[in-house]
Amino acid sequence: SQKIEQNSEALNIQEGKTATLTCNYTNYSPAYLQWYRQDPGRGPVFLLLIRENEKEKRKERLKVTFDTTLKQSLFHITASQPADSATYLCALKGGKLIFGQGTELSVKP
Amino acid sequence: DAGVTQSPTHLIKTRGQQVTLRCSPKSGHDTVSWYQQALGQGPQFIFQYYEEEERQRGNFPDRFSGHQFPNYSSELNVNALLLGDSALYLCASSLAGGQGDTEAFFGQGTRLTVV
Repeated sequence: SQKIEQNSEALNIQEGKTATLTCNYTNYSPAYLQWYRQDPGRGPVFLLLIRENEKEKRKERLKVTFDTTLKQSLFHITASQPADSATYLCALKGGKLIFGQGTELSVKP
Repeated sequence: DAGVTQSPTHLIKTRGQQVTLRCSPKSGHDTVSWYQQALGQGPQFIFQYYEEEERQRGNFPDRFSGHQFPNYSSELNVNALLLGDSALYLCASSLAGGQGDTEAFFGQGTRLTVV
């Protein structure tokens, strides 16, 4: 069956460092992959979309890679700030969105 | 633009009761999807409505039903509530039937507690 897995453990990093979050998927060939940010008690907010023919995409301090051979996407936040603390969700797009379980990121000052 | 709005924000129901949650999509959006999010989990797709019809459905029982109105707003109905239905219910709107590389805009969710 189709499966999406993200880092199951929370990620704790120091302010200014680069945070790297992983999203792996199986039994799926997505045309697109999206990343969302979710704060406690709120709905997810769209961050980035990457297509299957794109290897990398950047938006300000965010960078996403998409390796269809490894069936993996990496999400990087450079120069992280405490305000980046949230849960980050990856989602595969094929009409409907299929989400991973999310990775909680905590950036300490 | 008010974005996606959901009501109510919080709700407490008793087992066996029925509940209706409401969603108004972002202005200009024609597609509404509903998700259930348990604590510590990612959102799980319930179903999607486009042109007032259910277009796709996730792995949820028939107790979960919905409707989309001509103004694109939507309702999610859950019958015979179970304790396990306690979750954050999210509505997301998008364009063009949800196909293609369109992002989804989420509402703030409705926190349903079944006691």
